[in-house]
Amino acid sequence: AQSVSQHNHHVILSEAASLELGCNYSYGGTVNLFWYVQYPGQHLQLLLKYFSGDPLVKGIKGFEAEFIKSKFSFNLRKPSVQWSDTAEYFCAVNPVYNTDKLIFGTGTRLQVFP
Amino acid sequence: NAGVMQNPRHLVRRRGQEARLRCSPMKGHSHVYWYRQLPEEGLKFMVYLQKENIIDESGMPKERFSAEFPKEGPSILRIQQVVRGDSAAYFCASSPEGGELFFGEGSRLTVL
Repeated sequence: AQSVSQHNHHVILSEAASLELGCNYSYGGTVNLFWYVQYPGQHLQLLLKYFSGDPLVKGIKGFEAEFIKSKFSFNLRKPSVQWSDTAEYFCAVNPVYNTDKLIFGTGTRLQVFP
Repeated sequence: NAGVMQNPRHLVRRRGQEARLRCSPMKGHSHVYWYRQLPEEGLKFMVYLQKENIIDESGMPKERFSAEFPKEGPSILRIQQVVRGDSAAYFCASSPEGGELFFGEGSRLTVL
């Protein structure tokens, strides 16, 4: 069965620190990849997505993610976090053959302290 | 263009009662998805619907849960005879055909 693993459940950083959140998926075929963010009390918002092309994807708010096919990974990065980045981050995958079902990881809670 | 609207935002039910959660998709979106988020877990796919049709309900519990998306009106997720384990946040998302999913703010169900 397809699954998505986010190994960091809770990350605590100071402002200006660099961020990398891990995401690995298990599926042998072609996939679309997503990172969503959920700020406290708000709905999920799309940060960035990868469908094809350049494996380094730029998203909103200075986030980027790199798709490494050989490692089945799609890690999220930001060089310098801000207090306003405090949120929960979800990695998600859907197989290209079945784009209707988005499979989510368990999420990573990021806390940024000023 | 209003986003995906879910109501109620918070719902409290006693064991054995029924819960109805509503989702109005974004204008122009014909696809609706329901996800459940249990405490300390990620979002789990429940069901995918298009107008008047259930396309994929592989994530729905076999009993007590049902979903519909009628020709007119919002999509409804219905949970009969709720139990404490049904307490969760239920998220609805909508999309145009083959497009990006847009999520609502969720409905938090608490079963006493």
